[in-house]
Amino acid sequence: DIQMTQSPSTLSASVGDRVTITCRASQSISSWLAWYQQKPGTAPKLLVYQASNLESGVPSRFSGSGSGTEFTLTISSLQPDDFATYFCQQYKTYSPGHTFGGGTKVELK
Amino acid sequence: QVQLVQSGAEVKKPGASVKVSCKASGYTFTTYHIHWVRQAPGPGLEWMGMINPSGGSTTYAQKFQGRVTMTRDTSTGTVYMELGSLTSDDTAVYYCARGWGGVVTIPAPQDYWGQGTLVTVSS
Repeated sequence: DIQMTQSPSTLSASVGDRVTITCRASQSISSWLAWYQQKPGTAPKLLVYQASNLESGVPSRFSGSGSGTEFTLTISSLQPDDFATYFCQQYKTYSPGHTFGGGTKVELK
Repeated sequence: QVQLVQSGAEVKKPGASVKVSCKASGYTFTTYHIHWVRQAPGPGLEWMGMINPSGGSTTYAQKFQGRVTMTRDTSTGTVYMELGSLTSDDTAVYYCARGWGGVVTIPAPQDYWGQGTLVTVSS
């Protein structure tokens, strides 16, 4: 199984801060990595696919990078709408299945 | 606009089965995979599998093989996910989600998501 480990699990930040979230895969997944944003009571929203490609409509303050086993999601200047939980997902393998990281909650400092 | 609308909340007893529906609209139903992802209390997300609505072929996560069945009805643009032998560990919100890029794009993450269906398993 490919395990996905996100850090930190919680991040306290202020509006305007630069925020970086890390995701590590237990084995190489090339660039088959996505990032999602989820707010309470709603479904996840796709932000980044293939490690560094921004989904249509996602603000340019979001960016993704990395390949192999180490990936990052960066928010260049945190906005009030960005306080949420962020998940990474590897989608390289269907067996045993796509796996998600444990999530990073970005909260107001 | 793309929409995935799921059926309502369910309460089931241990050992029972549950069938959740997901009606797609706003795009050509047979040209995008539909995935199922669940989220138990707490933040974790778990991918369950996917179906190709064109031919009905399925791919299930190892954990759910033998217990999950995904089907589709092309006449109504609806996908179904049935999970059997329920236990309290299956209490979760179940989401359907469209595969990014269409059926020709493999592998792919999920772009549009349904609103979620809460399934509660309790005696």
